[in-house]
Amino acid sequence: QVQLVESGGGVVQPGRSLRLSCSASGFTFSSYTMHWVRQAPGKGLEWVSSISYDGSNKNYADSVKGRFTTSRDIPKNTLFLQMNSLRTADTAVYYCARVGRSLRNFDWLMGWGQGTLVTVSS
Amino acid sequence: DIQMTQSPSSLSASVGDRVTITCQASQDVSNHLSWYQQKPGKAPKLLIYAASDLDTGVPSRFSGSGSGTHFSLTISSLQPEDFATYFCHHYDNLPLTFGGGTKVETK
Repeated sequence: QVQLVESGGGVVQPGRSLRLSCSASGFTFSSYTMHWVRQAPGKGLEWVSSISYDGSNKNYADSVKGRFTTSRDIPKNTLFLQMNSLRTADTAVYYCARVGRSLRNFDWLMGWGQGTLVTVSS
Repeated sequence: DIQMTQSPSSLSASVGDRVTITCQASQDVSNHLSWYQQKPGKAPKLLIYAASDLDTGVPSRFSGSGSGTHFSLTISSLQPEDFATYFCHHYDNLPLTFGGGTKVETK
C-alpha cells in the first residue's frame, strides 16, 4: 500500500529556509514521478513542483521558481523540497503525492501524505 | 496555464440526494481529469481518474463523466460520510491546476 509521510514543517521567518521531506513506502520509489502540492489555510490546492521518476526532470510553479528546489534520494526512498527565501505567501500545508502510473510524468495524483504545515511569519 | 472552473462553490444537500458538481477546463484536457474528496484536516483522497474511472475502494455511488473541457462528478445518493469538499484536477500538462473546490454541506 502506498504510504507517504511528510515532515520538516514549522514556523520560520520571512527570508529564511526550510527543507521538507517525504518518506515513501509501499511502492517502487524509483519508478514514479512525484509532486508537491500546497494548500494555504482555508484555500484550494496549488501545484508546487514535480520531479521525474529518475530525478532528471524537475518542474516548478512560477510562484516558487528560483526559490524552491526538489530532489529525491532513491536509495532512501525520500523526496525533498528545499525552500529558500520564504515569503508569507508560502504559508500552507505541503503535501507530497505520487502519480498514478509508473514511468509517467503527467498523471493523476494518489497516495497523498498527511501534509506538513509551513508557517512563514515574523 | 489551464484554468479549472468548478461549480457550485458550495451546496446544501440531504442524505439520499443526488448531487452533481461540474468542472470546466479553459482548454481541451482530453480525459486527463481527476476528482478528489477532502475532509477538514485531512489530505485529498482520489475518487475518480481519467474522467470516469473509479479508484479502488471508492463506492459506486460516485461517478464521473465528460471529456475535453466539460466534466462532472455525481454522487447518486449522498451518504453522511460524503459531506466534504471536492476538487477537480487536470493532469494534461504542467502546471497542474485544480478547481476551486465545492463544499458539500448538510441542509
